[in-house]
Amino acid sequence: DGGITQSPKYLFRKEGQNVTLSCEQNLNHDAMYWYRQDPGQGLRLIYYSQIVNDFQKGDIAEGYSVSREKKESFPLTVTSAQKNPTAFYLCASSSVPGHTEAFFGQGTRLTVV
Amino acid sequence: QQQVKQSPQSLIVQKGGISIINCAYENTAFDYFPWYQQFPGKGPALLIAIRPDVSEKKEGRFTISFNKSAKQFSLHIMDSQPGDSATYFCAARPAGANNLFFGTGTRLTVIP
Repeated sequence: DGGITQSPKYLFRKEGQNVTLSCEQNLNHDAMYWYRQDPGQGLRLIYYSQIVNDFQKGDIAEGYSVSREKKESFPLTVTSAQKNPTAFYLCASSSVPGHTEAFFGQGTRLTVV
Repeated sequence: QQQVKQSPQSLIVQKGGISIINCAYENTAFDYFPWYQQFPGKGPALLIAIRPDVSEKKEGRFTISFNKSAKQFSLHIMDSQPGDSATYFCAARPAGANNLFFGTGTRLTVIP
């Protein structure tokens, strides 16, 4: 089945620790995105990548980092610099150029304990 | 600053009724307006989308109405069913760009 796989589904992190969220897609999409979802705030863009080895900051990139070494993979690292990391994180992908639909993964719920 | 404003925040509708969710935007560079449906604990899934060259698009019980001059668009769910209970997000994408700007979501509850 084609799609986007995020892992793990639930993640707990101690304060001061970095943690990496995985996102893999087999849709052969060029563009990949990370969104953060908080209650009452919709989805906010953290980072996006249109091509391998290239990525751009979104609206709330502070405290996060990404890499895009392979077309199918776009991991997100939540660093200790992120002041309020507890949230639901969503990865998405779309074809480029002229895409019409972004496909989302099932999300990772990160909780800082 | 929220680029796409969505209302209401929550909506309760009787089974068989019409659910209406509204969105408004200011950026005239937006050229693609999708609606996403999200069930609890899941990622959003594309429901229906429209481009500004048409005023309405219908797919089954779901209809998007688009008013370019007012910079508003809305989702209408006809004959609402309990299975439609979910959170709905409107979104908009600038021409030539790939990223979407999302509204804050509407939690729809359809009661039997």
